[in-house]
Amino acid sequence: EPEVTQTPSHQVTQMGQEVILRCVPISNHLYFYWYRQILGQKVEFLVSFYNNEISEKSEIFDDQFSVERPDGSNFTLKIRSTKLEDSAMYFCASRLRGVETNTEAFFGQGTRLTVV
Amino acid sequence: EDKVVQSPLSLVVHEGDTVTLNCSYEVTNFRSLLWYKQEKKAPTFLFMLTSSGIEKKSGRLSSILDKKELFSILNITATQTGDSAIYLCAATQGGSEKLVFGKGTKLTVNP
Repeated sequence: EPEVTQTPSHQVTQMGQEVILRCVPISNHLYFYWYRQILGQKVEFLVSFYNNEISEKSEIFDDQFSVERPDGSNFTLKIRSTKLEDSAMYFCASRLRGVETNTEAFFGQGTRLTVV
Repeated sequence: EDKVVQSPLSLVVHEGDTVTLNCSYEVTNFRSLLWYKQEKKAPTFLFMLTSSGIEKKSGRLSSILDKKELFSILNITATQTGDSAIYLCAATQGGSEKLVFGKGTKLTVNP
């Protein structure tokens, strides 16, 4: 069964460093997302990406965040200068078509980011 | 502010019990409600509900949506230890790609 894959599964970084979280969405999917889940809190939407551009972003997704689809398979989330409060589980998700078609989003296993 | 509220936050039952998990929502331009199961890391999809009163069923799991009262329930009958997980409820809205999640219900099924 096709799945969304994320690497690495766990990353530890020093405050102020840049990190890149990587995702390979399901191959024929067109819509891509990043969510995060701070320990003990809700899963929160960060950004959606379609047709090589950001289609929607949340207030959390400020200038220190960026996303990119550098080739036909990868989808990355970059955090430029990490802060302690960026420590969270980051989930990538993909969807075959837009949400208006009522198709479900498939989530990856997540990358646990720890900022020290 | 759009919100999804789940109850209870935590539930401990014995194998064979039947459980009902609740999800209420207040989102503008509501489109659909989804249930996910989160065991270790990745939320895995269970159901998507768009119409009131139509039960969706998969094995021992079933779910229904009430768009008038703005809630959904997820039922699990004859629970097994493998049902132990966090169950997440999320809403979608017209004109938005995002899922608005609740905090989840942590279900523990003891043998």
